[in-house]
Formats: sequence, C-alpha cells, structure tokens
Amino acid sequence: EDKVVQSPLSLVVHEGDTVTLNCSYEVTNFRSLLWYKQEKKAPTFLFMLTSSGIEKKSGRLSSILDKKELFSILNITATQTGDSAIYLCAVVLLKTQGGSEKLVFGKGTKLTVNP
Amino acid sequence: NAGVTQTPKFQVLKTGQSMTLQCAQDMNHNSMYWYRQDPGMGLRLIYYSASEGTTDKGEVPNGYNVSRLNKREFSLRLESAAPSQTSVYFCASRTGVSYEQYFGPGTRLTVT
Repeated sequence: EDKVVQSPLSLVVHEGDTVTLNCSYEVTNFRSLLWYKQEKKAPTFLFMLTSSGIEKKSGRLSSILDKKELFSILNITATQTGDSAIYLCAVVLLKTQGGSEKLVFGKGTKLTVNP
Repeated sequence: NAGVTQTPKFQVLKTGQSMTLQCAQDMNHNSMYWYRQDPGMGLRLIYYSASEGTTDKGEVPNGYNVSRLNKREFSLRLESAAPSQTSVYFCASRTGVSYEQYFGPGTRLTVT
C-alpha cells in the first residue's frame, strides 16, 4: 500500500522562527513530490520536486527531496503569521495502464505562527 | 478565467437523500479529480477522469458515482447519503504536461 507520512502533525511557533516540515513516503512507481499550502479553502501549489534532487526556493520557503532516503523537507525561514496554514505533501504515482497519474496525500502539518 | 469552480458551496442532507456535486474547469485540462478531506486525514482520492469519456476509481470510491459530462465538467453523485460521507469535497484538474493539480474552493457536505 502506498503511504505518505508527514511530521509533525501540528506545530506552534513564534514569528521569526524557522521551521522544517517533513514528508516521508513508501510508494511504488514514484514520479514526483508536490507541496501544497492550504489556508481556509483550496490547497494552493508551492513546489514540485523530482528525483533530480534540485532544491526549490521561493522567497522564505525552500524544499528538497532525498530520493535515496525517500523523504522531502519544506523549510520556512523568518516565519510570519500569514504562514499559518496546513501544509500538504503529495506524491505523484506513475500512470497505470489506461489511467492517469495519481496523487497520494499525507495527512498534513498544521502550522500556527503566533505574533 | 475562473479556474476550477464547484457548486454548491454548502449542503446539508438527510440520510438516504441523493445529490450531485458539480465541478467545472475552464483551463482546457484533460484530467479531473474528486477528493474528500476529513479532519486529520489529508485528501483522499474518490474518483478521477484521465480524459473525457473515461473514469476510474480512487482510494475511497464506495458510495459515490461520477460522470465526465464533457471536457469541462466532472460531477460526483451520492445516491444514498450516509453520515460517514460528511466531509469537504474538492474537485481538481490538471493539464497533461504538469503534475500540478488546481483545486476548486470545495463543497462542505453534512449528512444528518
């Protein structure tokens, strides 16, 4: 069974702190890994990571994939209250015959940033 | 360009009632997906459609049916709602090029 495990499930920090969110996976037919941010409504896309191991950065957020150890981390530096959200990790599984690539999501990490 | 739209935003059903959740996208995407999200459970795939005219089961398909009406629209039907189907339902779509999925705003469904 394909599994994506995120840790911690919940995290409370103060503004200015740096946080690291973890995502490990055990899946067949790995294609890539996606990170999403979910505030009140729909998840919004942050990064896509592949087996190339190239780090992705956007402002204070960065992420990298370790394909040997089968995990990814999402770093947020100098956190702000606007970073408070659920962060979802999803693994893209290769297409099955006649089907489409599918995403398997982790349960998410709820980040709360206090002023 | 509205992206992915879903109707209704909220719905309350009694056990045994039926309803259809509607989803439409205007991005000319081939693949569309239905997920449910329960507290502490992340997003779980119910059904997906790789292209117009095809549908396939995801992780939790029991109690649901889908229709890919055309390239734009993908509906999810609950034939006989149960309290266990109380959840937030998200529709998503993606192109054939990128793995990124674009999500609709969700439908919050309560079954009493």
